[in-house]
Amino acid sequence: DAGVIQSPRHEVTEMGQEVTLRCKPISGHNSLFWYRQTMMRGLELLIYFNNNVPIDDSGMPEDRFSAKMPNASFSTLKIQPSEPRDSAVYFCASSLAGSVSNQPQHFGDGTRLSIL
Amino acid sequence: AQSVAQPEDQVNVAEGNPLTVKCTYSVSGNPYLFWYVQYPNRGLQFLLKYITGDNLVKGSYGFEAEFNKSQTSFHLKKPSALVSDSALYFCAVRALSNDYKLSFGAGTTVTVRA
Repeated sequence: DAGVIQSPRHEVTEMGQEVTLRCKPISGHNSLFWYRQTMMRGLELLIYFNNNVPIDDSGMPEDRFSAKMPNASFSTLKIQPSEPRDSAVYFCASSLAGSVSNQPQHFGDGTRLSIL
Repeated sequence: AQSVAQPEDQVNVAEGNPLTVKCTYSVSGNPYLFWYVQYPNRGLQFLLKYITGDNLVKGSYGFEAEFNKSQTSFHLKKPSALVSDSALYFCAVRALSNDYKLSFGAGTTVTVRA
């Protein structure tokens, strides 16, 4: 079975440019998460979608960050304009979730983003 | 509030020796507990989980973990470590009352020397 698929795997761009990260969750999963991983702050939850609806975006750093999930098989995380401090590895994860679910989250291999 | 502590940044063991990675947690009510492993340039891979029942949980690649409610711990163990077990390990907790949000520890780097 295909896991969570993220693209691109690596992105290098200049400060001020728009960056779009993409994620295809595991088929049948109804929850999707975007995380950011840095050495200083570890793993941070940015946003959580359930059934394509954003439920918790309290982790989104600021208005430069936005995320969408137009359908059950696709999500994007956009940074506009990008800044050097946005450099990190961004992970997408999906799961079967709900109030009685104990299913683990399944992670993609991430996008390594470098803003020059 | 919920949180996880992994007191050791690094664990070094010789191949064939037992491996233990420590984790303690704080949560209101009963916890769901998870261990994940991350290899270089890869995402986190699920190893095992504790939900309820037997305190000793068995997972992938020969790993197991023991839930200890009185000590609020969930240590990861492997009886005989392999060089290929060298990776970054994360413990995570979620309260039963919480639908989705995992709190991750800072991670422990395991190095197994041949």
